[in-house]
Amino acid sequence: GAVVSQHPSRVICKSGTSVKIECRSLDFQATTMFWYRQFPKQSLMLMATSNEGSKATYEQGVEKDKFLINHASLTLSTLTVTSAHPEDSSFYICSANDRSYEQYFGPGTRLTVT
Amino acid sequence: GENVEQHPSTLSVQEGDSAVIKCTYSDSASNYFPWYKQELGKGPQLIIDIRSNVGEKKDQRIAVTLNKTAKHFSLHITETQPEDSAVYFCAASRGFQKLVFGTGTRLLVSP
Repeated sequence: GAVVSQHPSRVICKSGTSVKIECRSLDFQATTMFWYRQFPKQSLMLMATSNEGSKATYEQGVEKDKFLINHASLTLSTLTVTSAHPEDSSFYICSANDRSYEQYFGPGTRLTVT
Repeated sequence: GENVEQHPSTLSVQEGDSAVIKCTYSDSASNYFPWYKQELGKGPQLIIDIRSNVGEKKDQRIAVTLNKTAKHFSLHITETQPEDSAVYFCAASRGFQKLVFGTGTRLLVSP
């Protein structure tokens, strides 16, 4: 089946710094990629939807200047958390869609901001 | 927008019993309903999905039923095993559009 990878799997950064998370579709071209955030014992909350070559669409309440999304190719999307703060600590998960209804999820990235 | 409710939040069963998780959705235009299993520290894994033109789908011990009129769908797991223990999420979407997730059900299967 389709495989989506994320890198890094875990990252610790200091408050005020920026961190980049990569999401790659390994064996298919992803027309759309989605970024989710999941706090402990909670559901997945969609942050933004990105299409290759165009600007991401952010969900209400998500700061686009804080969570920068770049979908530069059909196999790569990146999420950059700028000026990270402890409240940004969370589990970030991406998914990719290949023109079918199904979304293929990555393994997630655990971000801890100290 | 779409709203998905999921019940129960926790479910404890004995090995070999059946487990049923129910979800309701609000958007009558939703036509794709996947179920995901998420283990601790991992991303969600699709276990079964159903489209609105089908009322039931089965894959070995797992089945999903959909009632479009009532706008609810359910996950049925038969002959549960300890390795079925995980958090299960339902979701709904309009085709290729964004998924809206339920709140999750923590399933515990005791040996």
